Amino acid sequence: GQSLEQPSEVTAVEGAIVQINCTYQTSGFYGLSWYQQHDGGAPTFLSYNALDGLEETGRFSSFLSRSDSYGYLLLQELQMKDSASYFCAVRDNNFNKFYFGSGTKLNVKP
Amino acid sequence: DADVTQTPRNRITKTGKRIMLECSQTKGHDRMYWYRQDPGLGLRLIYYSFDVKDINKGEISDGYSVSRQAQAKFSLSLESAIPNQTALYFCATSTGRSGANVLTFGAGSRLTVL
Repeated sequence: GQSLEQPSEVTAVEGAIVQINCTYQTSGFYGLSWYQQHDGGAPTFLSYNALDGLEETGRFSSFLSRSDSYGYLLLQELQMKDSASYFCAVRDNNFNKFYFGSGTKLNVKP
Repeated sequence: DADVTQTPRNRITKTGKRIMLECSQTKGHDRMYWYRQDPGLGLRLIYYSFDVKDINKGEISDGYSVSRQAQAKFSLSLESAIPNQTALYFCATSTGRSGANVLTFGAGSRLTVL
Protein backbone atom coordinates (compact mmCIF):
# COMPACT_ATOMS: atom_id res chain seq x y z
CA GLY A 1 0.00 0.00 0.00
CA GLN A 2 0.85 3.66 0.03
CA SER A 3 1.36 5.98 3.01
CA LEU A 4 2.38 9.64 2.86
CA GLU A 5 2.98 11.94 5.82
CA GLN A 6 3.17 15.72 5.80
CA PRO A 7 2.57 18.34 8.50
CA SER A 8 -1.03 19.42 8.82
CA GLU A 9 -0.37 23.14 9.09
CA VAL A 10 2.48 25.62 8.72
CA THR A 11 2.50 29.37 9.36
CA ALA A 12 5.03 31.84 7.96
CA VAL A 13 5.31 35.55 7.30
CA GLU A 14 5.26 37.30 3.98
CA GLY A 15 8.69 37.37 2.34
CA ALA A 16 9.99 34.41 4.31
CA ILE A 17 11.01 30.93 3.16
CA VAL A 18 9.05 27.83 4.17
CA GLN A 19 9.72 24.14 3.67
CA ILE A 20 6.96 21.52 3.62
CA ASN A 21 8.19 17.98 4.15
CA CYS A 22 6.75 14.74 2.88
CA THR A 23 7.78 11.23 3.81
CA TYR A 24 6.32 8.24 2.06
CA GLN A 25 6.08 4.49 2.26
CA THR A 26 5.13 2.77 -0.92
CA SER A 27 5.13 -0.66 -2.48
CA GLY A 28 6.27 0.90 -5.73
CA PHE A 29 7.61 4.34 -6.55
CA TYR A 30 7.99 6.25 -9.77
CA GLY A 31 8.00 9.87 -8.68
CA LEU A 32 6.83 12.52 -6.23
CA SER A 33 4.54 15.39 -7.19
CA TRP A 34 3.35 18.53 -5.43
CA TYR A 35 -0.03 20.20 -5.88
CA GLN A 36 -1.46 23.46 -4.60
CA GLN A 37 -5.10 23.90 -3.67
CA HIS A 38 -6.72 27.17 -2.66
CA ASP A 39 -9.87 27.05 -0.55
CA GLY A 40 -12.80 26.03 -2.72
CA GLY A 41 -10.58 25.37 -5.71
CA ALA A 42 -9.14 22.44 -7.59
CA PRO A 43 -5.64 21.09 -7.00
CA THR A 44 -3.13 22.43 -9.49
CA PHE A 45 0.19 20.88 -10.40
CA LEU A 46 3.36 22.52 -9.07
CA SER A 47 6.27 20.16 -9.58
CA TYR A 48 7.44 16.60 -10.09
CA ASN A 49 10.60 14.75 -9.11
CA ALA A 50 11.48 11.36 -10.49
CA LEU A 51 15.19 11.53 -9.66
CA ASP A 52 17.08 12.60 -6.56
CA GLY A 53 17.85 16.27 -6.29
CA LEU A 54 16.33 19.69 -6.51
CA GLU A 55 13.94 20.96 -9.18
CA GLU A 56 13.42 24.71 -9.32
CA THR A 57 10.46 26.53 -10.84
CA GLY A 58 10.49 30.21 -10.04
CA ARG A 59 9.88 30.78 -6.33
CA PHE A 60 9.09 27.12 -5.78
CA SER A 61 11.57 24.26 -5.55
CA SER A 62 11.04 20.58 -4.88
CA PHE A 63 13.54 18.06 -3.57
CA LEU A 64 13.57 14.28 -3.56
CA SER A 65 15.71 11.67 -1.84
CA ARG A 66 14.62 8.23 -2.98
CA SER A 67 16.92 6.45 -0.53
CA ASP A 68 15.28 8.31 2.38
CA SER A 69 11.74 8.13 0.93
CA TYR A 70 11.58 11.85 1.56
CA GLY A 71 10.87 15.01 -0.31
CA TYR A 72 10.08 18.62 0.35
CA LEU A 73 8.57 21.67 -1.28
CA LEU A 74 10.41 24.93 -0.70
CA LEU A 75 8.57 28.19 -1.17
CA GLN A 76 10.66 31.37 -1.25
CA GLU A 77 9.69 35.03 -1.02
CA LEU A 78 6.31 34.07 0.36
CA GLN A 79 3.33 36.06 -0.81
CA MET A 80 -0.15 36.26 0.66
CA LYS A 81 -1.49 34.43 -2.38
CA ASP A 82 0.62 31.40 -1.40
CA SER A 83 -1.83 30.75 1.45
CA ALA A 84 -3.28 27.41 0.38
CA SER A 85 -3.06 23.70 1.02
CA TYR A 86 -0.14 21.78 -0.46
CA PHE A 87 -0.29 18.08 -1.22
CA CYS A 88 2.49 15.66 -2.00
CA ALA A 89 1.56 12.72 -4.19
CA VAL A 90 3.36 9.52 -5.08
CA ARG A 91 3.19 8.21 -8.60
CA ASP A 92 3.35 4.44 -8.37
CA ASN A 93 5.67 2.23 -10.33
CA ASN A 94 3.00 1.49 -12.89
CA PHE A 95 3.19 5.25 -13.48
CA ASN A 96 -0.53 5.23 -13.81
CA LYS A 97 -1.81 6.00 -10.33
CA PHE A 98 -1.23 8.86 -7.94
CA TYR A 99 -1.66 8.64 -4.17
CA PHE A 100 -1.95 11.84 -2.16
CA GLY A 101 -0.91 12.92 1.32
CA SER A 102 -3.44 14.56 3.62
CA GLY A 103 -2.16 18.03 2.80
CA THR A 104 -0.39 20.89 4.57
CA LYS A 105 -2.27 24.12 5.11
CA LEU A 106 0.08 27.06 4.69
CA ASN A 107 -0.93 30.31 6.36
CA VAL A 108 1.03 33.35 5.20
CA LYS A 109 0.78 36.33 7.56
CA PRO A 110 1.63 39.96 6.80
CA ASP B 1 -14.24 26.60 -21.43
CA ALA B 2 -12.45 24.52 -18.82
CA ASP B 3 -10.26 21.64 -19.96
CA VAL B 4 -11.96 19.29 -17.46
CA THR B 5 -15.64 19.95 -16.74
CA GLN B 6 -17.60 18.40 -13.92
CA THR B 7 -21.37 18.43 -13.51
CA PRO B 8 -23.13 19.08 -11.25
CA ARG B 9 -20.96 21.43 -9.21
CA ASN B 10 -23.17 21.04 -6.16
CA ARG B 11 -25.78 18.42 -5.33
CA ILE B 12 -27.85 17.72 -2.26
CA THR B 13 -29.62 14.37 -2.16
CA LYS B 14 -31.21 11.94 0.24
CA THR B 15 -30.03 8.61 1.53
CA GLY B 16 -30.80 5.78 -0.88
CA LYS B 17 -30.97 7.91 -4.00
CA ARG B 18 -28.92 7.13 -7.12
CA ILE B 19 -26.53 9.89 -8.08
CA MET B 20 -24.34 10.35 -11.14
CA LEU B 21 -21.46 12.78 -11.36
CA GLU B 22 -20.22 13.50 -14.85
CA CYS B 23 -16.85 14.49 -16.16
CA SER B 24 -15.83 15.52 -19.66
CA GLN B 25 -12.47 16.70 -20.95
CA THR B 26 -11.16 18.47 -24.01
CA LYS B 27 -7.47 17.76 -23.39
CA GLY B 28 -7.42 14.58 -25.47
CA HIS B 29 -5.99 12.66 -22.52
CA ASP B 30 -6.48 8.92 -22.40
CA ARG B 31 -6.34 8.54 -18.62
CA MET B 32 -9.14 9.66 -16.34
CA TYR B 33 -9.55 9.42 -12.57
CA TRP B 34 -12.11 10.02 -9.86
CA TYR B 35 -10.92 11.22 -6.45
CA ARG B 36 -12.77 11.94 -3.26
CA GLN B 37 -11.64 14.68 -0.84
CA ASP B 38 -12.59 14.80 2.81
CA PRO B 39 -11.23 17.35 5.30
CA GLY B 40 -7.93 16.13 6.76
CA LEU B 41 -7.78 13.08 4.51
CA GLY B 42 -6.42 14.48 1.31
CA LEU B 43 -7.52 13.00 -2.02
CA ARG B 44 -8.33 9.33 -2.24
CA LEU B 45 -8.55 7.44 -5.51
CA ILE B 46 -11.94 5.87 -6.24
CA TYR B 47 -11.59 4.59 -9.83
CA TYR B 48 -9.31 5.15 -12.77
CA SER B 49 -9.44 4.37 -16.45
CA PHE B 50 -6.64 4.23 -19.00
CA ASP B 51 -8.90 4.01 -22.02
CA VAL B 52 -12.51 3.24 -22.88
CA LYS B 53 -12.05 -0.49 -22.36
CA ASP B 54 -9.99 -0.24 -19.18
CA ILE B 55 -11.56 0.43 -15.76
CA ASN B 56 -9.77 -0.13 -12.46
CA LYS B 57 -10.68 0.14 -8.80
CA GLY B 58 -8.76 2.54 -6.62
CA GLU B 59 -8.38 2.75 -2.84
CA ILE B 60 -12.03 3.28 -1.95
CA SER B 61 -14.28 1.88 -4.70
CA ASP B 62 -16.93 0.26 -2.48
CA GLY B 63 -20.30 1.93 -3.00
CA TYR B 64 -19.25 3.51 -6.30
CA SER B 65 -19.30 2.50 -9.95
CA VAL B 66 -18.01 4.22 -13.08
CA SER B 67 -18.60 4.30 -16.79
CA ARG B 68 -16.19 5.44 -19.50
CA GLN B 69 -18.63 6.32 -22.27
CA ALA B 70 -15.97 7.76 -24.56
CA GLN B 71 -12.37 8.83 -24.32
CA ALA B 72 -13.54 12.24 -23.20
CA LYS B 73 -16.25 11.19 -20.72
CA PHE B 74 -15.98 9.41 -17.38
CA SER B 75 -18.93 9.29 -14.99
CA LEU B 76 -19.12 8.26 -11.35
CA SER B 77 -22.28 6.72 -9.90
CA LEU B 78 -23.46 6.19 -6.37
CA GLU B 79 -26.12 3.50 -6.69
CA SER B 80 -27.59 4.13 -3.25
CA ALA B 81 -26.11 7.18 -1.61
CA ILE B 82 -25.35 7.20 2.12
CA PRO B 83 -24.39 10.14 4.37
CA ASN B 84 -20.72 9.15 4.68
CA GLN B 85 -20.39 9.67 0.93
CA THR B 86 -20.82 13.37 1.56
CA ALA B 87 -17.61 14.80 0.16
CA LEU B 88 -15.97 16.84 -2.57
CA TYR B 89 -15.38 14.77 -5.69
CA PHE B 90 -12.75 15.56 -8.28
CA CYS B 91 -12.28 14.22 -11.77
CA ALA B 92 -8.75 14.35 -13.17
CA THR B 93 -6.98 13.48 -16.41
CA SER B 94 -3.47 12.68 -17.50
CA THR B 95 -1.77 11.64 -20.67
CA GLY B 96 0.09 8.41 -21.26
CA ARG B 97 2.63 10.30 -23.28
CA SER B 98 5.21 12.77 -22.02
CA GLY B 99 3.60 14.74 -19.25
CA ALA B 100 2.10 11.61 -17.73
CA ASN B 101 3.23 12.84 -14.35
CA VAL B 102 0.75 15.74 -14.36
CA LEU B 103 -2.87 15.45 -13.26
CA THR B 104 -5.32 18.08 -14.49
CA PHE B 105 -8.30 18.42 -12.19
CA GLY B 106 -11.83 19.58 -12.76
CA ALA B 107 -13.39 22.18 -10.47
CA GLY B 108 -15.01 19.56 -8.27
CA SER B 109 -18.52 18.34 -7.44
CA ARG B 110 -19.68 18.91 -3.90
CA LEU B 111 -22.11 16.18 -2.86
CA THR B 112 -24.19 16.25 0.30
CA VAL B 113 -26.17 13.17 1.29
CA LEU B 114 -28.83 13.80 3.92
